[in-house]
Amino acid sequence: DAGVIQSPRHEVTEMGQEVTLRCKPISGHNSLFWYRQTMMRGLELLIYFNNNVPIDDSGMPEDRFSAKMPNASFSTLKIQPSEPRDSAVYFCASSLLGGLGTDTQYFGPGTRLTVL
Amino acid sequence: AQSVTQLGSHVSVSEGALVLLRCNYSSSVPPYLFWYVQYPNQGLQLLLKYTSAATLVKGINGFEAEFKKSETSFHLTKPSAHMSDAAEYYCAVSDRGSTLGRLYFGRGTQLTVWP
Repeated sequence: DAGVIQSPRHEVTEMGQEVTLRCKPISGHNSLFWYRQTMMRGLELLIYFNNNVPIDDSGMPEDRFSAKMPNASFSTLKIQPSEPRDSAVYFCASSLLGGLGTDTQYFGPGTRLTVL
Repeated sequence: AQSVTQLGSHVSVSEGALVLLRCNYSSSVPPYLFWYVQYPNQGLQLLLKYTSAATLVKGINGFEAEFKKSETSFHLTKPSAHMSDAAEYYCAVSDRGSTLGRLYFGRGTQLTVWP
């Protein structure tokens, strides 16, 4: 299996621009998670989906952030407009639910976002 | 909500020395517990997890962790550190019986291994 695929791996943009991060989960997995990692705040859960339905988006920092999962094999995280404080590494993870809490999350390699 | 505390944001050991990374959870009902490792410029990967009655769990790369209910702890150990163990280590918990798959991560511990 190819694992969780994220694109782009690096993104540099200017403040005010729209940024779209992409994720392809492991085939057959039915749960998808978006995380943000910074030195100051560590690893933060932004939003997660079960069977393409958003379950909890309370971690999304503000309305500038939005996420979609149009089908089981693709998800996007969009920031519009972007700000320098959004600079971070964004991870996508997927899991196959059914273990009642024992399920392993598999992480992608991350997208390093720099907003100038 | 679940809470995980990792004592020590940075741990330094010499090569060949014992590695001990600490993790405590706050739930009154023992959760399931996980350790993940993150190597530089990579995503997190599972090291080991506790999901059964066996309180001593063995993982990859010689690591193991022991679940102690009385201490609400799940500390990670390795008898002899290698240079390749230098990484960020995260403890995480999930809710027993949950169908959502959510994990609650600690702040992480950066392990440095000196030659």
